[in-house]
Amino acid sequence: DQQVKQNSPSLSVQEGRISILNCDYTNSMFDYFLWYKKYPAEGPTFLISISSIKDKNEDGRFTVFLNKSAKHLSLHIVPSQPGDSAVYFCAAMDDKIIFGKGTRLHILP
Amino acid sequence: ETGVTQTPRHLVMGMTNKKSLKCEQHLGHNAMYWYKQSAKKPLELMFVYSLEERVENNSVPSRFSPECPNSSHLFLHLHTLQPEDSALYLCASSQTQGDTEAFFGQGTRLTVV
Repeated sequence: DQQVKQNSPSLSVQEGRISILNCDYTNSMFDYFLWYKKYPAEGPTFLISISSIKDKNEDGRFTVFLNKSAKHLSLHIVPSQPGDSAVYFCAAMDDKIIFGKGTRLHILP
Repeated sequence: ETGVTQTPRHLVMGMTNKKSLKCEQHLGHNAMYWYKQSAKKPLELMFVYSLEERVENNSVPSRFSPECPNSSHLFLHLHTLQPEDSALYLCASSQTQGDTEAFFGQGTRLTVV
């Protein structure tokens, strides 16, 4: 059973608009959450993270929201740019790290 | 379950010990990776293997020695480690090195004492 789920395998968003990537988890013991971005032929690169004691973390165009009661987090990218086209992985940690399967984001010109 | 299995899940070793981490995938993937996840730090790529050939080695100390005997198995041999090497070591695989979809194992929690 997947503990970290990214239910949308792909997402297309117009350039300049907001991209919202969603992630759900099942384990209430997770205390740290991360988003990674992956381009073709490269490993995942860290994007932004959030501790379970917070509900929002912002870094430039990227904001992560955490709703612990719903066991849900989301990554907002605004405005979306062509270089944001990539696969985005959500991950959750307690004493181990569990990755979601990723969402492919395609920014349309 | 992603199809990528790492053993052991937890390992405690002394600085003079020699141990190995194992990763196994039967997804038919041709690329395999070792990553290091230190506490609350971003993921660090250590090694990349494509078709059993090492294609990337990101300035990793020689006390870490990878081995890829076939496309389904990847090892990380450890010797004379330091306490700062304590971390979560992750294995991943993808169909090809250029594939955007990677499947991760659950990691080996390594503690060096």
